[in-house]
Amino acid sequence: AQKVTQAQTEISVVEKEDVTLDCVYETRDTTYYLFWYKQPPSGELVFLIRRNSFDEQNEISGRYSWNFQKSTSSFNFTITASQVVDSAVYFCALSEAAGGTSYGKLTFGQGTILTVHP
Amino acid sequence: EAQVTQNPRYLITVTGKKLTVTCSQNMNHEYMSWYRQDPGLGLRQIYYSMNVEVTDKGDVPEGYKVSRKEKRNFPLILESPSPNQTSLYFCASSLSPIGGHYGYTFGSGTRLTVV
Repeated sequence: AQKVTQAQTEISVVEKEDVTLDCVYETRDTTYYLFWYKQPPSGELVFLIRRNSFDEQNEISGRYSWNFQKSTSSFNFTITASQVVDSAVYFCALSEAAGGTSYGKLTFGQGTILTVHP
Repeated sequence: EAQVTQNPRYLITVTGKKLTVTCSQNMNHEYMSWYRQDPGLGLRQIYYSMNVEVTDKGDVPEGYKVSRKEKRNFPLILESPSPNQTSLYFCASSLSPIGGHYGYTFGSGTRLTVV
């Protein structure tokens, strides 16, 4: 069975601070996909990134960056120079590829509530 | 505009009164699924569908039914709702079960309260 753990329930920072959201996953399959979603106060789920298990390159998109390490089964998300608009709940999720025991299932972590204070 | 449409956005109902939450997508996606979101538990998958007439249970299917008679629609049915089904529900779709390059497309959510 697959599992995603976001150990940080809530994080509070002051604007312009860097913040890292942790995500640890468990899966028995060798091919899988990892996602990050943002849920702002308005409630919708906003896609941020998808990464497959064969691509361990770190990714940077503006102030956002992701660090994928298969050795520690982690897919951490860093926001540089945080802004008030980054305040949201952030979810990490895992999906297994075809042939996997949980193919078709998308498993989310519990979410991390990020509050950025002015 | 490519989107997943859920209705209603808000619903208050009484215990035992059957209800249906509709979900429709206009992207010709094969994969659709339902989730419930509860504080501290994240999103948990209720049911998913690989294609028309192909559905399967997610992690929390008890008390729910689904059907996939057409590719675009994937309604969630609560035959006899109970208060523990009070939650925020999301429908999602994608070209495939592993999500497309842009992940899964989610609906705006349905906030259900069962009293």
